[in-house]
Amino acid sequence: AQSVTQLDSQVPVFEEAPVELRCNYSSSVSVYLFWYVQYPNQGLQLLLKYLSGSTLVKGINGFEAEFNKSQTSFHLRKPSVHISDTAEYFCAVSTNNNDMRFGAGTRLTVKP
Amino acid sequence: EAGVAQSPRYKIIEKRQSVAFWCNPISGHATLYWYQQILGQGPKLLIQFQNNGVVDDSQLPKDRFSAERLKGVDSTLKIQPAKLEDSAVYLCASSSINDPRGETQYFGPGTRLLVL
Repeated sequence: AQSVTQLDSQVPVFEEAPVELRCNYSSSVSVYLFWYVQYPNQGLQLLLKYLSGSTLVKGINGFEAEFNKSQTSFHLRKPSVHISDTAEYFCAVSTNNNDMRFGAGTRLTVKP
Repeated sequence: EAGVAQSPRYKIIEKRQSVAFWCNPISGHATLYWYQQILGQGPKLLIQFQNNGVVDDSQLPKDRFSAERLKGVDSTLKIQPAKLEDSAVYLCASSSINDPRGETQYFGPGTRLLVL
């Protein structure tokens, strides 16, 4: 079965700084990749997804991610973060069997 | 468009008691998922329904967990009897088409369960 590793459990950054949240996956078959965000006491919300085509995917709130098949990565980036981006971010992978697997999450804390 | 509804939002029970959670997906969504999210971990899929049929329940602890979606709309997840390690947030999600590969899942706010 496929799996996801989020390399950083916590990422602290200052407001207006760039940020990258790292995600690596493992699968023997073709994958679909997702990033979800979870604000405190709320459900998960989709940021962006890669299904096929262009490897650079743009999502909501100024986030983007790049699918790198050779490195089996799907890192999330934002050029300038805001206080309101403070949240938990989850990378997820699914296959044609529709069996989604989530990473353990990265807590992004944006400081003023 | 109304989102995925879940109730209750919070539940505290003692071990060996029973508990049930309810989920109402987005109208028209054929696929419904239940996830367990233990503190500090990502969500883990427990069961997936397509309409009223089970697609995947490979990670559901069937000795104590059960779920149903009798009319293909809302769903209940039950734990009987509960153990301390069942303390978690139980998330319900739904997606819109009958072949949801790669389809966006919409999540409810979750039910936070504490087993004492």
